[in-house]
Amino acid sequence: SAVISQKPSRDICQRGTSLTIQCQVDSQVTMMFWYRQQPGQSLTLIATANQGSEATYESGFVIDKFPISRPNLTFSTLTVSNMSPEDSSIYLCSVERRNGYTFGSGTRLTVV
Amino acid sequence: DAKTTQPPSMDCAEGRAANLPCNHSTISGNEYVYWYRQIHSQGPQYIIHGLKNNETNEMASLIITEDRKSSTLILPHATLRDTAVYYCIVRERSNDYKLSFGAGTTVTVRA
Repeated sequence: SAVISQKPSRDICQRGTSLTIQCQVDSQVTMMFWYRQQPGQSLTLIATANQGSEATYESGFVIDKFPISRPNLTFSTLTVSNMSPEDSSIYLCSVERRNGYTFGSGTRLTVV
Repeated sequence: DAKTTQPPSMDCAEGRAANLPCNHSTISGNEYVYWYRQIHSQGPQYIIHGLKNNETNEMASLIITEDRKSSTLILPHATLRDTAVYYCIVRERSNDYKLSFGAGTTVTVRA
């Protein structure tokens, strides 16, 4: 399975600020996926990031709120912009491997 | 729309087999059944997947009914470290790259 390094592992942020989460994969991948897991809930796909093109966002998620960068085949960032307490969640990146998906350990974000 | 139905929770005894059911009555012919689990404070972990034949690996066995409308994940000898939320997901392997997570089954292994 791919090794995924996600930073930061956790953060506490003031409302109105932005946080950029980094995801580094140990091998080249075409697509990287960003998920959100709200407290006590299951995972929800935010967007799919392809290298060299705009990210594809799922219903309910917009680029202005969650801008994504994908500068190369091993790296992506997700920014949570103008944060409010409702953005407090775990954010996870994921890549597809031959037998399934591998997930990072997640970024636990608390907005105060 | 939810493609799978799982019980919200189940308990099992340490050392015994844990049988986790999943209903997927609307599964199409080219959709696979995937199982993942999420241990507290970690990202989901791939367990196993199958199309129509039963599958076994070092972690678990997957039994898919002949009509493919349901399946069972079997953890042969549950340990305390198997306590997690288990997700049953159906998806096409070739086209639909998205994983849609339902609520899953919270499995608690008790000593």
